[in-house]
Amino acid sequence: GENVEQHPSTLSVQEGDSAVIKCTYSDSASNYFPWYKQELGKRPQLIIDIRSNVGEKKDQRIAVTLNKTAKHFSLHITETQPEDSAVYFCAASINTGNQFYFGTGTSLTVIP
Amino acid sequence: DTAVSQTPKYLVTQMGNDKSIKCEQNLGHDTMYWYKQDSKKFLKIMFSYNNKELIINETVPNRFSPKSPDKAHLNLHINSLELGDSAVYFCASSQASWDGYTFGSGTRLTVV
Repeated sequence: GENVEQHPSTLSVQEGDSAVIKCTYSDSASNYFPWYKQELGKRPQLIIDIRSNVGEKKDQRIAVTLNKTAKHFSLHITETQPEDSAVYFCAASINTGNQFYFGTGTSLTVIP
Repeated sequence: DTAVSQTPKYLVTQMGNDKSIKCEQNLGHDTMYWYKQDSKKFLKIMFSYNNKELIINETVPNRFSPKSPDKAHLNLHINSLELGDSAVYFCASSQASWDGYTFGSGTRLTVV
């Protein structure tokens, strides 16, 4: 089955700096890569996703890049704000499969 | 008008008891899931149902039994609760594994 690795497990940045979280996957058939943000005590919520037919996608301060050859994808958050502090999960799935495979999560702390 | 609703939100119970968690989605999705999130925040899939049919049954103790009376509902019954069952249990739904999940608000189960 698919194996998704996520790094780093914890990340602290100063407010206004950028944050980058990286994930790798093992199954070259994976073609959908969502990112979830989970604030303390809340549910994970989809913040951005990318499909394998594109290399980059942006939504205001967040962007995701995908390198299919190297089988890795990354989440970039620019101009970080304290409300960006949360646990972020990457995931991968195959459109003929039945589930997502989640990474182990990155706890991001933005220091005011 | 909550999309995926779980009840109860908190559940404190003694070892050996039997308890149920209920989940309902009003998104018209075909697939529903149960995930367990432990203290390290790792999201581990337990079960998945597609249109009332069990399609994923990960290695979980057979004390855990899912039931899907219709495609909008997926309940989780746990027999003979153990201390190690303490975790947050999330229900989720999706139209397909290549679409994002919508998570419920979670049920924090504490076994004492």
